[in-house]
Amino acid sequence: NAGVTQTPKFQVLKTGQSMTLQCAQDMNHNSMYWYRQDPGMGLRLIYYSASEGTTDKGEVPNGYNVSRLNKREFSLRLESAAPSQTSVYFCASRAWETQYFGPGTRLLVL
Amino acid sequence: EDKVVQSPLSLVVHEGDTVTLNCSYEVTNFRSLLWYKQEKKAPTFLFMLTSSGIEKKSGRLSSILDKKELFSILNITATQTGDSAVYLCAVEAVEYGNKLVFGAGTILRVKS
Repeated sequence: NAGVTQTPKFQVLKTGQSMTLQCAQDMNHNSMYWYRQDPGMGLRLIYYSASEGTTDKGEVPNGYNVSRLNKREFSLRLESAAPSQTSVYFCASRAWETQYFGPGTRLLVL
Repeated sequence: EDKVVQSPLSLVVHEGDTVTLNCSYEVTNFRSLLWYKQEKKAPTFLFMLTSSGIEKKSGRLSSILDKKELFSILNITATQTGDSAVYLCAVEAVEYGNKLVFGAGTILRVKS
């Protein structure tokens, strides 16, 4: 039982490049989330998926797209990376009591 | 706009001290308040609070919620160096699929 897994752990991009951050959970949770964490700002919700086949915008969705491929997997795509997207990205899935977080992806956009 | 404010932003204590971390919030459609510990990577869950005045305890950690005054405290007694971490407070709102609104965190450093 791995919980929530994320790949890659670390990535460097040049401005304008695209990439997809992968997230998977093996806890059979319906809801999944993508957050970004910036210094001094806590975690902010980018997108979420309440169930397989549905996705919705969170507080800071601009510049991102998501895909809920199946119940296990929820990916986050940056179509044209910008330096302002340099951050640590966390995926989470929700059980009744709390959200469980993956280990994070550290992204640097030059 | 929903917001969660934690204080202090950081503190340094010696092993054996007791610390109190504060969290105040203004969130519409409140569902619960959660505390997380973040040591280098993913936040790990500590407590979920939904009712005022009921203390939750886990070992040396305890927490309580005041829904009238809109705040919560996290206490850590007999601190150890392993308690050094960022402590995050988050409020769950019944919107955005039960999104979590996070505070900026309190950085705790316990010196031996």
